[in-house]
Amino acid sequence: GAVVSQHPSRVICKSGTSVKIECRSLDFQATTMFWYRQFPKQSLMLMATSNEGSKATYEQGVEKDKFLINHASLTLSTLTVTSAHPEDSSFYICSARDAGGLHYEQYFGPGTRLTVT
Amino acid sequence: AQKVTQAQTEISVVEKEDVTLDCVYETRDTTYYLFWYKQPPSGELVFLIRRNSFDEQNEISGRYSWNFQKSTSSFNFTITASQVVDSAVYFCALSGAGNNRKLIWGLGTSLAVNP
Repeated sequence: GAVVSQHPSRVICKSGTSVKIECRSLDFQATTMFWYRQFPKQSLMLMATSNEGSKATYEQGVEKDKFLINHASLTLSTLTVTSAHPEDSSFYICSARDAGGLHYEQYFGPGTRLTVT
Repeated sequence: AQKVTQAQTEISVVEKEDVTLDCVYETRDTTYYLFWYKQPPSGELVFLIRRNSFDEQNEISGRYSWNFQKSTSSFNFTITASQVVDSAVYFCALSGAGNNRKLIWGLGTSLAVNP
């Protein structure tokens, strides 16, 4: 089946530093990848949609200069949280849509738990 | 506008009980997809089922079954003979067709199955 990996799975960083999270589709090509954020006991909140080779489309209220998304290849998208602050601590989940798929389902990565101290 | 409502925030049952998780959706699209995902405490989302709007057949997979009714815009999920391992948060989601269409998520139902 389609597998999406995320790295790292957990990261602790100091306030003011930047953190990069990688999302890879391992056995399929993903023209579209999505980045979500999830606070404890809440639903997933879509942050942005990225298409390979073009700029990401951010959801309303998401700061694009703070959450930099790059989708440079059909198998890799990265999310960089710049100048992280404690309020950026959250569970970040990526998903990838199979370019060859017929049903538009998204395959999810295992998530990255970010803690900013 | 599209919307997914999971009215049950938390459900607690005793092992071996049957439990139904409700999902009601709103959409104006004629072609759409409905999903259920399980999120155990580890956080990793587990895909359970996808249904397209043209297939109203109910589905059974082991102890899991799904009832899709377009007349009531519902896509309910039943776990038969629940087990402790079923304890998780369950999300219902809706998507239109098209490569960039977003998943619209319900708020999730937290299911606790007690021994």
